[in-house]
Amino acid sequence: EAGVTQSPTHLIKTRGQQATLRCSPISGHTSVYWYQQALGLGLQFLLWYDEGEERNRGNFPPRFSGRQFPNYSSELNVNALELEDSALYLCASSLSQDQQETQYFGPGTRLLVL
Amino acid sequence: QKEVEQDPGPLSVPEGAIVSLNCTYSNSAFQYFMWYRQYSRKGPELLMYTYSSGNKEDGRFTAQVDKSSKYISLFIRDSQPSDSATYLCAMCVASGGSYIPTFGRGTSLIVHP
Repeated sequence: EAGVTQSPTHLIKTRGQQATLRCSPISGHTSVYWYQQALGLGLQFLLWYDEGEERNRGNFPPRFSGRQFPNYSSELNVNALELEDSALYLCASSLSQDQQETQYFGPGTRLLVL
Repeated sequence: QKEVEQDPGPLSVPEGAIVSLNCTYSNSAFQYFMWYRQYSRKGPELLMYTYSSGNKEDGRFTAQVDKSSKYISLFIRDSQPSDSATYLCAMCVASGGSYIPTFGRGTSLIVHP
């Protein structure tokens, strides 16, 4: 069974640009979560999608947004990139909204903002 | 005070040692407790999760929860160099709606041959 996949693996952008990160959950999983893991910091929760709807968002500015498609894959968009947005962005999925405690992570997209 | 505290380490042990990794927390409503392993430049991998108090064993790994002390531990027996990674604890409440896990910052473990 394929795990959570993310693309691209690496992304280099300049300040002010927009970044789009993609995630495909494990087959059959309906919930997708996005986290930011900056150097020296823990996983910071960004967004949670389930059944195509945004269910919760963390303490991040509105320039972090996303969506979930009918096939449950998801996209994270970061507008007006800032240097401090450089981090590993992790996507996770769970079987349903009732199993948020068992999340399975993808390998991440490493975003570098210059 | 952060909701979940975890010593970042690094913790360096010789091969074969018993490793103890720990987290403390402040939210008494937490009921699910998870441990993830993250290798360098990879995503976290769910190792174990437990509900409420007690012990849970899986091979060389034992997860222990002491809710009265708000303290959780992960023990690794017969540690191997391949266990070298960052270990993240995570925990959440168990209720309807949104209960996104809160993660510790991770402990870096180095097992040397």
